[in-house]
Amino acid sequence: EVVLTQSPATLSVSPGERATLSCRASQSVSINLAWYQQKPGQAPRLLISGASTRATGIPARFSGSGSGTEFTLTISSLQSEDSAVYYCQQYNNWRTFGQGTKLEIK
Amino acid sequence: QVQLQESGPGLVKPSGTLSLTCAVSGGSISNGNWWGWVRQPPGKGLEWIGEIYHTGSSNYNPSLASRVTISVDKSKNQFSLKLSSVTATDTAVYYCARESSEGYTYSWGQGTLVTVSS
Repeated sequence: EVVLTQSPATLSVSPGERATLSCRASQSVSINLAWYQQKPGQAPRLLISGASTRATGIPARFSGSGSGTEFTLTISSLQSEDSAVYYCQQYNNWRTFGQGTKLEIK
Repeated sequence: QVQLQESGPGLVKPSGTLSLTCAVSGGSISNGNWWGWVRQPPGKGLEWIGEIYHTGSSNYNPSLASRVTISVDKSKNQFSLKLSSVTATDTAVYYCARESSEGYTYSWGQGTLVTVSS
């Protein structure tokens, strides 16, 4: 099983600043990695697939990078509505999710 | 736009079988997507359960495979999940999902909470 480790567990950032979320895989997943945003009481929403391809309707301030075992989700110019839990998921070897990073807006 | 809606009992007894159905609207279940299930215990992270194609081909999370069956009913444009021998650790919000051919999830149902308790 591919284990995904996300860091940090919680991140607190001021509006307008940049947030950097990390996802590390226990073995290479190539670029078969997606990022999702989940707000309280809601289903997750796809942000990024293929490590760096934004989903339809996702603002350009969300960007993904990385390959192999190291991946990053960057949210530039944070807005209050970006407060959520963010999950990475690999789909190279079955499917597994990271444990999530909770992003708080100060 | 394809929409998904889960339905089924919200309470299942221990050792029983959890059964959920996902109705697909706004598109055909035979449109080339995979259709899956993901669960989330209260306050915890996401766990992929499995997926099915309209042909009936399916894949399951190895950790759950012995207890899971996912089926598809093209005539009703829906797919279903059965999870047997449930325990309290199976208590979770269960989401049905539309997956790409690569394996990531395009979209999700709203989710339904299933509690395992006597």
